[in-house]
Amino acid sequence: EAGVVQSPRYKIIEKKQPVAFWCNPISGHNTLYWYLQNLGQGPELLIRYENEEAVDDSQLPKDRFSAERLKGVDSTLKIQPAELGDSAVYLCASSPDWRPSYNEQFFGPGTRLTVL
Amino acid sequence: QKEVEQNSGPLSVPEGAIASLNCTYSDRVSQSFFWYRQYSGKSPELIMSIYSNGDKEDGRFTAQLNKASQYVSLLIRDSQPSDSATYLCAVMGKAGTASKLTFGTGTRLQVTL
Repeated sequence: EAGVVQSPRYKIIEKKQPVAFWCNPISGHNTLYWYLQNLGQGPELLIRYENEEAVDDSQLPKDRFSAERLKGVDSTLKIQPAELGDSAVYLCASSPDWRPSYNEQFFGPGTRLTVL
Repeated sequence: QKEVEQNSGPLSVPEGAIASLNCTYSDRVSQSFFWYRQYSGKSPELIMSIYSNGDKEDGRFTAQLNKASQYVSLLIRDSQPSDSATYLCAVMGKAGTASKLTFGTGTRLQVTL
């Protein structure tokens, strides 16, 4: 079974430029998550999707971040404009279901973003 | 108080020994508990999940949960150099659309030859 796929793996941009990350979850997984991980920290949730609906985006900085999950499968996370502090690893994860007993989350390889 | 607390380490154990990793959490209604392993430069990999009090064993790994003490631990028996990584404890709250997975900052484990 294929795992969570993310692209690109690495991205270097200058501040104020836009950037987008793409995620394809494990087949059949209805719940998709975007996390941000800074060095030495655990992942922090940005947004959670149940199918195509964003059910928890409370931690997403909506002035510059946006996300979509059209058709309830692939998802895109966008930053516009990027700031120096956005440099981090952006992780996508998926799980079969949002309910706690079915919520084992599996992570993709992540996108390491460097903003210069 | 952090929602999920772990000792950052490093925790150093000799090869073949038992490594004991600990985690405490603040939300009493937490229902699901996970341990992830993260190698340097890689993404977190799920190694154990536990939902009820007691022990859960999977190969060399044993997860222990004590909800009354708000404490979850991971034991790694017969530690190998390949176990050297950062271990993240993650906790999920009560069911509902507001539930989310909260991670600790991780404990770095070093298994020495």
